[in-house]
Amino acid sequence: AQTVTQSQPEMSVQEAETVTLSCTYDTSESNYYLFWYKQPPSRQMILVIRQEAYKQQNATENRFSVNFQKAAKSFSLKISDSQLGDTAMYFCAFMDVEGADFGNEKLTFGTGTRLTIIP
Amino acid sequence: EAQVTQNPRYLITVTGKKLTVTCSQNMNHEYMSWYRQDPGLGLRQIYYSMNVEVTDKGDVPEGYKVSRKEKRNFPLILESPSPNQTSLYFCASSLLRATDTQYFGPGTRLTVL
Repeated sequence: AQTVTQSQPEMSVQEAETVTLSCTYDTSESNYYLFWYKQPPSRQMILVIRQEAYKQQNATENRFSVNFQKAAKSFSLKISDSQLGDTAMYFCAFMDVEGADFGNEKLTFGTGTRLTIIP
Repeated sequence: EAQVTQNPRYLITVTGKKLTVTCSQNMNHEYMSWYRQDPGLGLRQIYYSMNVEVTDKGDVPEGYKVSRKEKRNFPLILESPSPNQTSLYFCASSLLRATDTQYFGPGTRLTVL
């Protein structure tokens, strides 16, 4: 079974600074997707960024980028020029694409990192 | 407006009293899923559905049932709720698969006494 580990339960950073959230995962598969989801205090979950394992290039979405290290099974999220609206719980998630060929469409989440942006 | 709705948003009930949490999406999505969120445990998938009449277990299906009789609806049924099912529940949908962007509902806070 796949596991997703977020080792930083809480983090805080000053507004406008850069912060990196870590995520590691365990899988024996070679083809999979990784995601970062954001849950602000409103509880509304929103997709931040998605990475396909077979793509070498790290995904970016405006101020959000990932550092995907496939051999190390690491998928960290970097938030540049952090803003007060970035205050949220961030979840890393994994989905095995090869398993999907056999009908397995499970999505596995980590335990989350609570990020606070300090004014 | 494209959205996923859940009802009720808050529910307090007693052990053993059957309940249903409804989930509905208006985006014609094929994939729907239920998660529970607990402090320190993150989100855990309960059940998911690839299409009408096609459902499968997630990581924590025990004590829950689902059905998918229409594409837009995916209710979560607790036949005999227990206190360990006290949690925050989220429904989500995506266009075709779990790899597509998941659109989440607002959550249902369930307390089982």
